[in-house]
Amino acid sequence: NAGVTQTPKFQVLKTGQSMTLQCAQDMNHNSMYWYRQDPGMGLRLIYYSASEGTTDKGEVPNGYNVSRLNKREFSLRLESAAPSQTSVYFCASSEMAVYNSPLHFGNGTRLTVT
Amino acid sequence: SQKIEQNSEALNIQEGKTATLTCNYTNYSPAYLQWYRQDPGRGPVFLLLIRENEKEKRKERLKVTFDTTLKQSLFHITASQPADSATYLCAPEYNNNDMRFGAGTRLTVKP
Repeated sequence: NAGVTQTPKFQVLKTGQSMTLQCAQDMNHNSMYWYRQDPGMGLRLIYYSASEGTTDKGEVPNGYNVSRLNKREFSLRLESAAPSQTSVYFCASSEMAVYNSPLHFGNGTRLTVT
Repeated sequence: SQKIEQNSEALNIQEGKTATLTCNYTNYSPAYLQWYRQDPGRGPVFLLLIRENEKEKRKERLKVTFDTTLKQSLFHITASQPADSATYLCAPEYNNNDMRFGAGTRLTVKP
């Protein structure tokens, strides 16, 4: 099993450009999440989807949008990239609400905005 | 506001010794806490979950404690090996669909 797959692995954008980060999981998990990780800071939740058809804001949602395309796929969109969005982005999934189950992470997308 | 602190950015120990990592949180009371391992260039990998009514949890050479009075969790690796070298993240639950992660402690085990 592949687990959680993120594409692309690396991306360089110019300020103002848009892009979509893709995430797919093959574990039949209900919940999916997008985090960003910056040096010296913990992972911060951007958006999550507790179940197919629902999405909610996390700690740092500004500048991002998400789509839960189906049970397997959860995408993150940057409409107008800014240098402050330079980060490593991780997608994760869990079987059910986080209280009862661990997160399974992908290996990240390293995004640089110039 | 809620704050999570892991004891140090880096910890160096000799092979065979016990590594002890600390996670302190303030201004909230998580019902559970998770620990993850992260290797360079990879996503975090789940290690252990401990609930507020559990004082201690073990898995092979790993042991986690959870002191809700001190607002602290300790993560121990006994008989450490160079392969244990990684960054370890604590994640106290914030609400049912959200965990807040500490910045991590980078552990290096020297042969």
